[in-house]
Amino acid sequence: AQKVTQAQTEISVVEKEDVTLDCVYETRDTTYYLFWYKQPPSGELVFLIRRNSFDEQNEISGRYSWNFQKSTSSFNFTITASQVVDSAVYFCALSGLIQGAQKLVFGQGTRLTINP
Amino acid sequence: DAGVIQSPRHEVTEMGQEVTLRCKPISGHNSLFWYRQTMMRGLELLIYFNNNVPIDDSGMPEDRFSAKMPNASFSTLKIQPSEPRDSAVYFCASSLGSQPQHFGDGTRLSIL
Repeated sequence: AQKVTQAQTEISVVEKEDVTLDCVYETRDTTYYLFWYKQPPSGELVFLIRRNSFDEQNEISGRYSWNFQKSTSSFNFTITASQVVDSAVYFCALSGLIQGAQKLVFGQGTRLTINP
Repeated sequence: DAGVIQSPRHEVTEMGQEVTLRCKPISGHNSLFWYRQTMMRGLELLIYFNNNVPIDDSGMPEDRFSAKMPNASFSTLKIQPSEPRDSAVYFCASSLGSQPQHFGDGTRLSIL
């Protein structure tokens, strides 16, 4: 069975600090995808990034960066120079491809609060 | 481009009533997903469709829940009869093939 663990339930930092959100996953699939979604206070779910299991290159997008390490089954997310607008619940998710579609398994989420 | 559209945004109804949630996926997407979000259980996949055909409904809680996708541009999730424990935010998402899922804004359901 697939499982995603986000051990950090809540994180609170002061604006401009760097913060890393941890994600550990379990799967028996050899091919799979990992995702991060953001859920701001308004409630919608916003797609941030997808990585496939064959691509372990780290990725940077502005202040966001992702560190995928297959050896430790982790896909961590770092926000550099955090801003108040980054306050949200962040979800890590895992999927395999089943009959042409992806079945997402979500972690429990990490509530990130950025204080001014 | 329009995203995934869900209606209603909020629904408050009394226990025992029938509830119907609606979803219009992104045009051209061939997979549609229904999720439920609660504090206790987080985000759970209820059912998903591929090319309008239900592929996996193992997440549907019980027989009171049913979902249909009569065509590529519309899906419903029905609860009959509703119970207070069904109170949650219900999300619909769509995708094209193996591309990432895009979510609607959700329906906040309260059963009194």
